[in-house]
Amino acid sequence: RKEVEQDPGPFNVPEGATVAFNCTYSNSASQSFFWYRQDCRKEPKLLMSVYSSGNEDGRFTAQLNRASQYISLLIRDSKLSDSATYLCVVPNSGYALNFGKGTSLLVTP
Amino acid sequence: ETGVTQSPTHLIKTRGQQVTLRCSSQSGHNTVSWYQQALGQGPQFIFQYYREEENGRGNFPPRFSGLQFPNYSSELNVNALELDDSALYLCASRVGYTGELFFGEGSRLTVL
Repeated sequence: RKEVEQDPGPFNVPEGATVAFNCTYSNSASQSFFWYRQDCRKEPKLLMSVYSSGNEDGRFTAQLNRASQYISLLIRDSKLSDSATYLCVVPNSGYALNFGKGTSLLVTP
Repeated sequence: ETGVTQSPTHLIKTRGQQVTLRCSSQSGHNTVSWYQQALGQGPQFIFQYYREEENGRGNFPPRFSGLQFPNYSSELNVNALELDDSALYLCASRVGYTGELFFGEGSRLTVL
């Protein structure tokens, strides 16, 4: 099992839609989790951190299920500007970040 | 702008050559990490430096090496380049071991 696995993409959704991405991880000892956003040919940028059961920031909600070892990211009321690749990230031994392959989102008018 | 700058932004090399990539970390950040991102993949951890010492390494061969300088800037060196080394190389900096990582825009290496 890969350390971090994400939904295969791409996701094509209309503006205003709600979309959810799932991510599973293999290290049951992991304590913190992250979602990064990466625009085409740019660097990854931190979107959300998840340390307990979940986190909400405006239209974005991240949820953590430790028993099943998965993290989800929900985007409500999608905007054109949300089009990007979303990377699920799980720290390894406290210093390295294990990234998933990413899920591509395209929001269309 | 994250305050992390990398150079060069793009470069082309041939197999067997050597390359040095440079990174200037954000002011006050004493930890620098390097990641390799192949096309269509997530970034893969290469190694991390904390106060000029390598303190973590991913699954990369010894021909990938690095340095961190007293001003916390860093270099990534890759010897004996292979075609599969073609990728975006990302530098990231932070304070200590667990602070938020801030990435530079990367150096895109093409090996022919």
